[in-house]
Amino acid sequence: QKEVEQNSGPLSVPEGAIASLNCTYSDRGSQSFFWYRQYSGKSPELIMFIYSNGDKEDGRFTAQLNKASQYVSLLIRDSQPSDSATYLCAVYTGRRALTFGSGTRLQVQP
Amino acid sequence: NAGVTQTPKFQVLKTGQSMTLQCAQDMNHNSMYWYRQDPGMGLRLIYYSASEGTTDKGEVPNGYNVSRLNKREFSLRLESAAPSQTSVYFCASSENAGRANYGYTFGSGTRLTVV
Repeated sequence: QKEVEQNSGPLSVPEGAIASLNCTYSDRGSQSFFWYRQYSGKSPELIMFIYSNGDKEDGRFTAQLNKASQYVSLLIRDSQPSDSATYLCAVYTGRRALTFGSGTRLQVQP
Repeated sequence: NAGVTQTPKFQVLKTGQSMTLQCAQDMNHNSMYWYRQDPGMGLRLIYYSASEGTTDKGEVPNGYNVSRLNKREFSLRLESAAPSQTSVYFCASSENAGRANYGYTFGSGTRLTVV
């Protein structure tokens, strides 16, 4: 079982819709959770991080964490074509460094 | 403010050749990391340095060595390149290793091809 799992996609949504990206993790001791966006040929850039159960909102982005169910999700409201990218979930378990999922490719159709 | 700078951006090596990937950060971060990214595999940790003077193996350290030259610089060396090391390499830094604080800042990456 991978430590951090994501559906590879592509997830296709129409412009203006809500995109929902999901991530599950295996280590119950995981402490902090991150979402990165990566455009093709570019480096990952941090979108949001969340430490506590519940929701955290930042502009059009909402991160949701449920430690009991071991999943973290990212909602993108009013999706734009510029949101088309690969979204990486990363988890800090307290060991070593961040562990990344393989990413979900999001396509926002104009 | 450059952030994390990696050199070179592109490199083609022949099997058996050696090279060093350079990484420098100007954010006064304590911790630095080397990851590789392969299609469908996500980012995998090669080595990391929690603080100046320390280095530790990550998930895929075989075939690599690292040097934390000072607080700013963390280099990755391939002693005898193999085609399996064809990948995109990212250097990253963070304020501290614990809890990963506010996440990592990544360099622009090095695309390495070993033929």
